[in-house]
Amino acid sequence: SQTIHQWPATLVQPVGSPLSLECTVEGTSNPNLYWYRQAAGRGLQLLFYSVGIGQISSEVPQNLSASRPQDRQFILSSKKLLLSDSGFYLCAWSRDGTYEQYFGPGTRLTVT
Amino acid sequence: AQTVTQSQPEMSVQEAETVTLSCTYDTSESDYYLFWYKQPPSRQMILVIRQEAYKQQNATENRFSVNFQKAAKSFSLKISDSQLGDAAMYFCAYRSAYYNAGNMLTFGGGTRLMVKP
Repeated sequence: SQTIHQWPATLVQPVGSPLSLECTVEGTSNPNLYWYRQAAGRGLQLLFYSVGIGQISSEVPQNLSASRPQDRQFILSSKKLLLSDSGFYLCAWSRDGTYEQYFGPGTRLTVT
Repeated sequence: AQTVTQSQPEMSVQEAETVTLSCTYDTSESDYYLFWYKQPPSRQMILVIRQEAYKQQNATENRFSVNFQKAAKSFSLKISDSQLGDAAMYFCAYRSAYYNAGNMLTFGGGTRLMVKP
């Protein structure tokens, strides 16, 4: 069976510090990978998606970037965090050719 | 661009009763998929049910069923025999069936469901 991991689960970072959130998927190959952000009490906003190694599509211009160094690894980064980057970050995967997405446990980021 | 609207920010239901959550969407496409996701307090998104637009039959998963009205662009979720564990945020989501449209899900704003014992 497939599982998706995210870490860290919780992170508190000062404004201006760098960020690296990691997502890995097990039990499948060549998944489509996604990063979403959810503000408190709000819906999900797609940030990035990737259909393969090194292939990243950005949906919203912002202070964040994403990379996919390995087939089942997806990383969300920032060089300098802003207060507005606070939120709940969810990673998801789907099989190519199917339409449902499966989500990881999420990372709660607080920028102080 | 597609939009998904959930007009009920909060709903409550008595345990063992039935509740219906509403969702409407706007699209010019004829082929697409619709989903309901549940987000419990742990905040992990869990897929509840999906519906293919080309299927007229409403999807059902145990106590969860949908009422899909394609012409009205409506996709409601019915939860029967509500349980305390059903308390969560519920999100309706849309995905185009056309590969060139990208691989994204468009989410509604969510409905918080409270279950009263």
